[in-house]
Amino acid sequence: DSGVTQTPKHLITATGQRVTLRCSPRSGDLSVYWYQQSLDQGLQFLIQYYNGEERAKGNILERFSAQQFPDLHSELNLSSLELGDSALYFCASSVTVGATEAFFGQGTRLTVV
Amino acid sequence: GENVEQHPSTLSVQEGDSAVIKCTYSDSASNYFPWYKQELGKRPQLIIDIRSNVGEKKDQRIAVTLNKTAKHFSLHITETQPEDSAVYFCAASSPAAGNKLTFGGGTRVLVKP
Repeated sequence: DSGVTQTPKHLITATGQRVTLRCSPRSGDLSVYWYQQSLDQGLQFLIQYYNGEERAKGNILERFSAQQFPDLHSELNLSSLELGDSALYFCASSVTVGATEAFFGQGTRLTVV
Repeated sequence: GENVEQHPSTLSVQEGDSAVIKCTYSDSASNYFPWYKQELGKRPQLIIDIRSNVGEKKDQRIAVTLNKTAKHFSLHITETQPEDSAVYFCAASSPAAGNKLTFGGGTRVLVKP
C-alpha cells in the first residue's frame, strides 16, 4: 500500500457523460500528479499540482480539468466522454516537487461504452 | 518539453541472465531519473532512482548508470528471476519543466524459467 488512495477503482459510463476521479495523497505530501495509461501504453502526464496550485500541464484535453483542494486531495473531471477516454487513470503524490520519489495510487479504470 | 525514449520495447531473457534497458532524454536540465516497475494490473512502483550528481547507483541485483553528457541512462538487472517479469518505465524530471515526471514508453520484460 503506497498510502495514495484513489476512488473509485472501476467506473463504467456512457459516451457524452461526465465523471469525477478522486485522489487522496499520502499524509504530508503536497504534490499531486495525474497520469493516463491506455491499454498497453505508457504513462501520459496530464497535470501536476503543488499545495493547491497548478505547477505543470501535459497534453490534457480541454474536456478534462483538475484541481487540488485545501485539504490536498485532488479531483480529475472528465467530461463529454468518448470511447477513446477509456484508460487507467493514476494519481501519484510526492512530498514536494523536484528530485523526489512519487508514490502511485492503485488507479481508476474508466470504461466508456 | 522533455522527451524520454526507452528501448527496447520488449525484452525476453533466460532466468539467470542479465537484462539492460536504455533511455535517452532531451532536456539537459533534467536532474532526477527514477525507474518504476509495473506488474500486470498493478500500480507503478519505484525500484531505483538516480540524481544528476551521481553516475551510478546499485541496489542488490539492480543498478542504474547515468551519462549526462550523452543524456542517457540505463537500468541493469543481473541474475534475473521470473518475478522480475513486468513492465519497466524510466522517467526524467526537469526543474525547467515544472519538475513533472516524464516517462518513457516502457519495456516489457519476460524472464523465462
